[in-house]
Amino acid sequence: DVVMTQTPVSLPVSLGGQASISCRSSQSLVHSNGNTYLHWYLQKPGQSPQLLIYRVSNRFSGVPDRFSGSGSGTDFTLKISRVEPEDLGDYYCLQSTHFPYTFGAGTKLELK
Amino acid sequence: EVQLVESGGGLVQPGRSLKLSCAASGFTFSNYGMAWVRQTPTKGLEWVASISTGGGNTYYRDSVKGRFTISRDNAKNTQYLQMDSLRSEDTATYYCSTNRGDYWGQGVMVTVSS
Repeated sequence: DVVMTQTPVSLPVSLGGQASISCRSSQSLVHSNGNTYLHWYLQKPGQSPQLLIYRVSNRFSGVPDRFSGSGSGTDFTLKISRVEPEDLGDYYCLQSTHFPYTFGAGTKLELK
Repeated sequence: EVQLVESGGGLVQPGRSLKLSCAASGFTFSNYGMAWVRQTPTKGLEWVASISTGGGNTYYRDSVKGRFTISRDNAKNTQYLQMDSLRSEDTATYYCSTNRGDYWGQGVMVTVSS
């Protein structure tokens, strides 16, 4: 199985500040069709996960441009600029290039 | 408004069966591959199974292969997860989602215990 190593586990931030979360995969996430199926989700307390970024860098409908994704191959990053209170929660990466799909262990974004 | 509503969870003894349902609305269900994802405090989020738009292709994680069956009825805008031979390690909150995770249900709890 592809192991997704997500860091840091916890990320204290100040409102208005910037956050960066890393996700590294144990093998390349480039599919044979040329696409890279690496996605990012936010799970707020008591809620289901919600899609933020799909295929590395594409913002899902309604997601503010404060969220951006980048990376390639095995190394990916989610950046959040101008952090707002509604951004707090658990962030997860997911690879869906290889079966079984695998998630990172999560990063808790919390107030400093 | 997009909605995915799961039902069918509950407490079940080891070795018994349970069938989860997920009713979709607010989007063209037949255009989306669908999935089941589960979550526990110890293991986090874990993909369980996926099914293609027409239902002809299904995929499972190894630990549920041969015990769980994913299916869908596009006429009813509903997907299912038949869970047989349940084990304590299947205890989790189960989410219905589109395969890419565009949309998620609210989750349903499954507890396997004697």
